Amino acid sequence: DTAVSQTPKYLVTQMGNDKSIKCEQNLGHDTMYWYKQDSKKFLKIMFSYNNKELIINETVPNRFSPKSPDKAHLNLHINSLELGDSAVYFCASSQATGTQYFGPGTRLTVL
Amino acid sequence: GENVEQHPSTLSVQEGDSAVIKCTYSDSASNYFPWYKQELGKRPQLIIDIRSNVGEKKDQRIAVTLNKTAKHFSLHITETQPEDSAVYFCAASKGSTGAQKLVFGQGTRLTINP
Repeated sequence: DTAVSQTPKYLVTQMGNDKSIKCEQNLGHDTMYWYKQDSKKFLKIMFSYNNKELIINETVPNRFSPKSPDKAHLNLHINSLELGDSAVYFCASSQATGTQYFGPGTRLTVL
Repeated sequence: GENVEQHPSTLSVQEGDSAVIKCTYSDSASNYFPWYKQELGKRPQLIIDIRSNVGEKKDQRIAVTLNKTAKHFSLHITETQPEDSAVYFCAASKGSTGAQKLVFGQGTRLTINP
């Protein structure tokens, strides 16, 4: 029944490693997003895809690369992880410019 | 680009009293203003939203008002209950083809004291 799901829920890794976070939505939405929530709870958009096309690409290090294999999936790959990448990453989806529904979040800790 | 300021950063009210959280935005082209509630360790969840063609919207104990001229909008919660304790975020967006680029405020930690 989960509308927007993410895996894994927790991710602990060493600096310099490469990791991926996966997101899936079963709402039939055509737009998906990645947000980063830092330790001060500030939420900031990173990327958005509409029908597998990248349409929002904020000022994010190019170590972050989103990939959308289809409308229902949006994955986030992070290369050469740094301490400052530690945060909670939320996936969200919407029908075009409609309400955004968030996933449960992935807490990434870089040691 | 858009900038959203949210106040206060923390708010403590007695159960049954009202709570008001205010946000200002910078881009006059913004036309969509949602409010999200985030409980500890959980995802942000939409509680109410308003579009720029409407000045006020109400849903039971929650209401949002929008003043386009002053570029500010507010969340009003009446008859507060302990389960209203959470972090509340306002956001603003002017939309683009196929997506809403939400710019969030800094959040307000609301505590309801029994």
